[in-house]
Amino acid sequence: NAGVMQNPRHLVRRRGQEARLRCSPMKGHSHVYWYRQLPEEGLKFMVYLQKENIIDESGMPKERFSAEFPKEGPSILRIQQVVRGDSAAYFCASSPQSSGGQQFFGPGTRLTVL
Amino acid sequence: QKEVEQDPGPLSVPEGAIVSLNCTYSNSAFQYFMWYRQYSRKGPELLMYTYSSGNKEDGRFTAQVDKSSKYISLFIRDSQPSDSATYLCAMSVKGGSEKLVFGKGMKLTVNP
Repeated sequence: NAGVMQNPRHLVRRRGQEARLRCSPMKGHSHVYWYRQLPEEGLKFMVYLQKENIIDESGMPKERFSAEFPKEGPSILRIQQVVRGDSAAYFCASSPQSSGGQQFFGPGTRLTVL
Repeated sequence: QKEVEQDPGPLSVPEGAIVSLNCTYSNSAFQYFMWYRQYSRKGPELLMYTYSSGNKEDGRFTAQVDKSSKYISLFIRDSQPSDSATYLCAMSVKGGSEKLVFGKGMKLTVNP
């Protein structure tokens, strides 16, 4: 029973390029959350999606960041025109419907912006 | 005031010690309380989950929630070197998006 999968595990981009991070939830899970972990800081919520819907994007920066969870395929977190401050670990978590708050995390994508 | 406060440590203990980790919070609407363990450069792993107040025990781990004091704890008995990791408290409001609000994490080292 595979857990949450994320790829790539490591991503290096130059300033101004685009970064695409992918997340496949656990089998049977319909809810996906994205979190960002900056150096020396805790995990911060970014966005919550269900299939084809963004439910809560209150933690997403207003510009350059977008997320989707299409009917088929993984959830994608997209960062346009990356800057050095975007360097962080990005974690995806999934939960089944009515999970009572329990979320299961993937291994993360470590983004480095040169 | 941050919604969730956690002493970031680090904390170093000898093998076999009892470890106590704590978080305080300010949002009285939190009802789901979790502890995650995160090894270096890995994803957080759900360790303990508690709904509302009370205690929960799982092997060497005990989680406590005191909603009246807005205080949660994780106790680790007979700590092992393999327990060396960062421990994150997390909580969420029932209903809505149930997004998790995390403490900063406490880095624990158990020395053999």
